[in-house]
Amino acid sequence: EAGVAQSPRYKIIEKRQSVAFWCNPISGHATLYWYQQILGQGPKLLIQFQNNGVVDDSQLPKDRFSAERLKGVDSTLKIQPAKLEDSAVYLCASSSTGRFGYTFGSGTRLTVV
Amino acid sequence: GQQLNQSPQSMFIQEGEDVSMNCTSSSIFNTWLWYKQEPGEGPVLLIALYKAGELTSNGRLTAQFGITRKDSFLNISASIPSDVGIYFCAGPLFRDGSARQLTFGSGTQLTVLP
Repeated sequence: EAGVAQSPRYKIIEKRQSVAFWCNPISGHATLYWYQQILGQGPKLLIQFQNNGVVDDSQLPKDRFSAERLKGVDSTLKIQPAKLEDSAVYLCASSSTGRFGYTFGSGTRLTVV
Repeated sequence: GQQLNQSPQSMFIQEGEDVSMNCTSSSIFNTWLWYKQEPGEGPVLLIALYKAGELTSNGRLTAQFGITRKDSFLNISASIPSDVGIYFCAGPLFRDGSARQLTFGSGTQLTVLP
C-alpha cells in the first residue's frame, strides 16, 4: 500500500511570508493528523480531521495557521504570516477509524529566516 | 495534562550491546506505542501494547506495558548500526473523556558506535 505523501520536502521562507503544505493520506484512512515537530522534541498535534470534518484543533494557533480537508482525502496546512518559531518539521499522519497505529509521512522541513 | 517522560534523552552504545529505555507518565494509559524516527523521515511504528503487563517482541525489539499502566519499556538486543535513530513512546490523549489522538514523549536519541 502506498504511504502518506507530503510535499514539499523542504521549504525556506522569510518571516511574515506565507507557506502551504500538502498531504495525501493512505487510501481509505478516514482520520488525518497534522503534527509539528520542533528540533529535539516529539511531535505535537496541531489538528485532527475525521473525513472532511475537524475533530480537534485546540492546539492550532488559529491566528496564523489554517488547515482544510475539503473532500475528505488530501489536506493542506497553511501558515500566514510565518514567524521564526514556526521553523519545524510538519508531519502528516493518517489512520483507520479507531486505531492508534498512525502512518506518518516523511514530513516537510520548514525553515523561517 | 497528560505528559510522557522518556529517559534517557540520549545513548551512545557499542555495536552488539543491549539497550533499554523507558517512558513514564503521571496518568494511566491503556495503550502504549513505540515509534522510531530516522533522519529526514517520519516516525515508524515499531510495537503497540494494549494490556497491562503485556510483553511484545518485534525481532530484536521487546516492549513491555508496565503493570501500573503508567510506564512502558523498550529493549533492543544486540544493537546494530541501523538501530540509530530517535525512539518515541506515545499514548492516547484523552479530551472530554474520550481518546482522540496520540501524545508523544520527547524521544531517546540512540547512537550505535562500530
